[in-house]
Amino acid sequence: AQSVSQHNHHVILSEAASLELGCNYSYGGTVNLFWYVQYPGQHLQLLLKYFSGDPLVKGIKGFEAEFIKSKFSFNLRKPSVQWSDTAEYFCAVNGRYSSASKIIFGSGTRLSIRP
Amino acid sequence: AAGVIQSPRHLIKEKRETATLKCYPISRHDTVYWYQQGPGQDPQFLISFYEKMQSDKGSIPDRFSAQQFSDYHSELNMSSLELGDSALYFCASSPGQPGLASYEQYFGPGTRLTVT
Repeated sequence: AQSVSQHNHHVILSEAASLELGCNYSYGGTVNLFWYVQYPGQHLQLLLKYFSGDPLVKGIKGFEAEFIKSKFSFNLRKPSVQWSDTAEYFCAVNGRYSSASKIIFGSGTRLSIRP
Repeated sequence: AAGVIQSPRHLIKEKRETATLKCYPISRHDTVYWYQQGPGQDPQFLISFYEKMQSDKGSIPDRFSAQQFSDYHSELNMSSLELGDSALYFCASSPGQPGLASYEQYFGPGTRLTVT
């Protein structure tokens, strides 16, 4: 079965703390991996994506993620969070060569940053 | 460049009414996806179209139907609305045929549907 698992439902950090959000996926075949962010009341925005090549990908706003194929993981990291990073974060996957490229989302991790 | 446009942005309907949501993809994008995000939930795939043909179908109720038109815009038609249909409906677009390459999906701002 195709699925994405995000380990933390709600993470609370202080400003300047380091962040790591866990994501594991289950998918038969070659995958594309994504992290999306959804600020309160807003639509999904792409933070970063992995299609192929270097498994360490850098995205916007200082975020990065590492694809570890052997662990089926794609964890999101940021060395120093800011209050403005308060949002919902979704890990997602789709099949690179699938005839149906629908995106499968994880259940999301709500990140709250204390000023 | 303009992004994915969805209209209306907000819609309030009563139970058993019908609703039509519209999605205008980015220029030259010929694939459209619809997703539903219930309150506090992750987005769930509903249906997709490539070149005006349905390319994939997810957990879309039989009360819903959708199509893609010759100008590539898409409409999601929802009938006999139920309270549980209240959600944020996202449309996404991408270039090219699904499955042939790694095309990113660009999401629109969503239509927030409230059924009372």
